Amino acid sequence: DQQVKQNSPSLSVQEGRISILNCDYTNSMFDYFLWYKKYPAEGPTFLISISSIKDKNEDGRFTVFLNKSAKHLSLHIVPSQPGDSAVYFCAASADTDKLIFGTGTRLQVFP
Amino acid sequence: ETGVTQTPRHLVMGMTNKKSLKCEQHLGHNAMYWYKQSAKKPLELMFVYNFKEQTENNSVPSRFSPECPNSSHLFLHLHTLQPEDSALYLCASSQGLAETFVTDTQYFGPGTRLTVL
Repeated sequence: DQQVKQNSPSLSVQEGRISILNCDYTNSMFDYFLWYKKYPAEGPTFLISISSIKDKNEDGRFTVFLNKSAKHLSLHIVPSQPGDSAVYFCAASADTDKLIFGTGTRLQVFP
Repeated sequence: ETGVTQTPRHLVMGMTNKKSLKCEQHLGHNAMYWYKQSAKKPLELMFVYNFKEQTENNSVPSRFSPECPNSSHLFLHLHTLQPEDSALYLCASSQGLAETFVTDTQYFGPGTRLTVL
């Protein structure tokens, strides 16, 4: 049973527009969430995180929103750039337990 | 070399072979991790080492044997693997100082693409 789900395997967005990547989780004990970005032939790189005491965290063009009641988080990228084309993984953990990753969403930003 | 490096980048092996994957981190971290990424499946944590001590074995079959001789190096020894073990194996490291080290930012290597014939 997957505790962290990314139901959209791929997303295509025009350059300059907003990209919204979604992630749902089932474990209400999760209290820390992260997004990683992965380019082909490279390992995932940390992008942004949020703890359950907040509902929004912003870093430049990247904003993560957390809706605890819906057990849903999303990553917004504004404006989207071609260099953002990658696979995005969300991950979650409960207390000091290990990170659980989603299956990833492939984002394609086209000119 | 900077960051986290992994060798080899690609490995093809038969089911009766013995091989090892190597990971090295140049970040001064104390925690190291092995993950497995199979096609269309989430990243799965396999093993965690903190200060050279194994702190997590996520029900991994014994045909995978980790070794952490020091905080900078991590190995994954492979023996009599199955075709379903074909996957991308990723190594990561993090600071590893506090109790909450598993939620520290993890820095990943590029991975070893393993194919078992």
